[in-house]
Amino acid sequence: GENVEQHPSTLSVQEGDSAVIKCTYSDSASNYFPWYKQELGKRPQLIIDIRSNVGEKKDQRIAVTLNKTAKHFSLHITETQPEDSAVYFCAGSMGYNDMRFGAGTRLTVKP
Amino acid sequence: DVKVTQSSRYLVKRTGEKVFLECVQDMDHENMFWYRQDPGLGLRLIYFSYDVKMKEKGDIPEGYSVSREKKERFSLILESASTNQTSMYLCAAQGGQTQYFGPGTRLLVL
Repeated sequence: GENVEQHPSTLSVQEGDSAVIKCTYSDSASNYFPWYKQELGKRPQLIIDIRSNVGEKKDQRIAVTLNKTAKHFSLHITETQPEDSAVYFCAGSMGYNDMRFGAGTRLTVKP
Repeated sequence: DVKVTQSSRYLVKRTGEKVFLECVQDMDHENMFWYRQDPGLGLRLIYFSYDVKMKEKGDIPEGYSVSREKKERFSLILESASTNQTSMYLCAAQGGQTQYFGPGTRLLVL
């Protein structure tokens, strides 16, 4: 089955700086890669996703890039703000019942 | 968006008790999932269901069972709770390939 690894486990940046979180996956058949944000005490919420037929996707200050050859994908947050502080999870899926999550990255944005 | 609710936000149970965690979704989706979330381990899949009365084991099913008698409701059962089942439990329903999560149940087993 799919195995997703995520790095780093913790990340601290200064407000206004960029943050990058990286994930690798094991199964080349995976075709869907969502990113979730979980604020303290709240449920994980989908913030952006990318499919394997696309190399990059942007939504305002967040972007995701996918390198299918290397089997890795990354989340980029620009102009970070304190409200970006949360735990971020990446995931990979081949179909409809097989999504696997990374271990999470705790992002802290210091004012 | 799919709305997913869970019956309890916090639960405290004793070792050996039978525990029921309920999850309800409002969008008629076939696929529902139960995960447990532990620090440093991310979200680990316990069980999933792809239709009424249909279930499949996930990566860590030991000590758990599930029930799906109605499409909108997916229950996680701890037959005999143990202290190592203290965790955050998250339910999800899937629309397309996207999973939508409930608010979670934080379970403490004493």
